[in-house]
Amino acid sequence: QLQLQESGPGLVKPSETLSLTCIVSGGSINTFSYSWGWIRQPPGKGLEWIATISHTGNTYYNPSLKSRVTISVDTSKNQFALRLTSMTAADTAVYYCARQSALTWGLIGDWGHGTLVTVSS
Amino acid sequence: EIVLTQSPGTLSLSPGERVILSCRASQTISSSYLAWYQQKPGQAPRLLIYGASTRATGIPDRFSGSGSGTHFNLTISRLEPEDFAVYYCQQYGGSPPLTFGQGTRLETK
Repeated sequence: QLQLQESGPGLVKPSETLSLTCIVSGGSINTFSYSWGWIRQPPGKGLEWIATISHTGNTYYNPSLKSRVTISVDTSKNQFALRLTSMTAADTAVYYCARQSALTWGLIGDWGHGTLVTVSS
Repeated sequence: EIVLTQSPGTLSLSPGERVILSCRASQTISSSYLAWYQQKPGQAPRLLIYGASTRATGIPDRFSGSGSGTHFNLTISRLEPEDFAVYYCQQYGGSPPLTFGQGTRLETK
């Protein structure tokens, strides 16, 4: 059974860079059937898609975050990562990693449990 | 960017009732690439419906989806206590960005 586990700092200072990793277990990340992505949810608010990386390495970013975001995959470690620069309080959220369908781009079948990232000095 | 608007924002209902949640898109969603997710407090969202009307694996048949174009609905035929949660619609399959509706909260009356 596929499991996704986010890891990273729970607290980031303003202007710093957030680095999160999603460890994939119970399945290979190196598959043509799926893409991998990040979604976030500010406390008490709705869901916001951040980025997706396809099995071919193509990357897709939310235009509202594109200038600050990088998504990458490490197939040797069966994990993928998110990097978000110039963090502000508005970036405080639960960050979810997710497995998305490659056939129907963006459909999210599996989610990690999420990790809360707070931006504060 | 396709904007999804869900209504109502909150519904107060009792177990056993039937409920219809609405999701309206700012432009036509091709091939009915519209999904519904359920989210309970402290949990990640769970896929309920994709392709506007196809239930995901393991989803009870009291959940059904309908609609096309710009108007979509999620119906829960008889509310169970575990169904009180927040429901989000999402459009996918087209050009980025992926977008979600703002959510509808079902609360116990």
